Amino acid sequence: KNEVEQSPQNLTAQEGEFITINCSYSVGISALHWLQQHPGGGIVSLFMLSSGKKKHGRLIATINIQEKHSSLHITASHPRDSAVYICAVSYNYQLIWGAGTKLIIKP
Amino acid sequence: DAGVIQSPRHEVTEMGQEVTLRCKPISGHDYLFWYRQTMMRGLELLIYFNNNVPIDDSGMPEDRFSAKMPNASFSTLKIQPSEPRDSAVYFCASSLATGPAGELFFGEGSRLTVL
Repeated sequence: KNEVEQSPQNLTAQEGEFITINCSYSVGISALHWLQQHPGGGIVSLFMLSSGKKKHGRLIATINIQEKHSSLHITASHPRDSAVYICAVSYNYQLIWGAGTKLIIKP
Repeated sequence: DAGVIQSPRHEVTEMGQEVTLRCKPISGHDYLFWYRQTMMRGLELLIYFNNNVPIDDSGMPEDRFSAKMPNASFSTLKIQPSEPRDSAVYFCASSLATGPAGELFFGEGSRLTVL
């Protein structure tokens, strides 16, 4: 069993829809990262959080430490949000990566 | 700051050749990470440095791979001899610290194709 599980693996939605991507982990962590990778490859850190909730523009990330679960939400989704979203957890000074969620937003 | 800078962006080489990938971390960051990304295996940590010292190289796949960080502003990842299965995108990332303060900043990656 992977230590970091993301769902769904693939998600296609219409422009404007509210998007939720989930991440569950099985180890005790010091922080959780959400990253975005666009076609063409560059990786950008979106959030790093260890408790509660963070918001940046249309993106919201939440984490529940007790349930070992985090969600990434995108409000008013847009085709430019199409990318792979990756969850990674900091554990014992290592980063454990989820497999990523491929998101496609259709106009 | 210009961010993490990697070179080359693309490299195509023949099996058996030596490949050297380069990385300049963000100034002041004391952690540097080398990752490899393939379709089959996703993102894998190869090695990371703290204050120019290699801390964990357990992800380095074979003796053909080596990494150095001669100073705080430069690191190299070398593959010698290269093989087709080394074809991947290699990312360098830096951070101020691992753990809760350790937000990662990635370079744009070096796409390696070994024929």
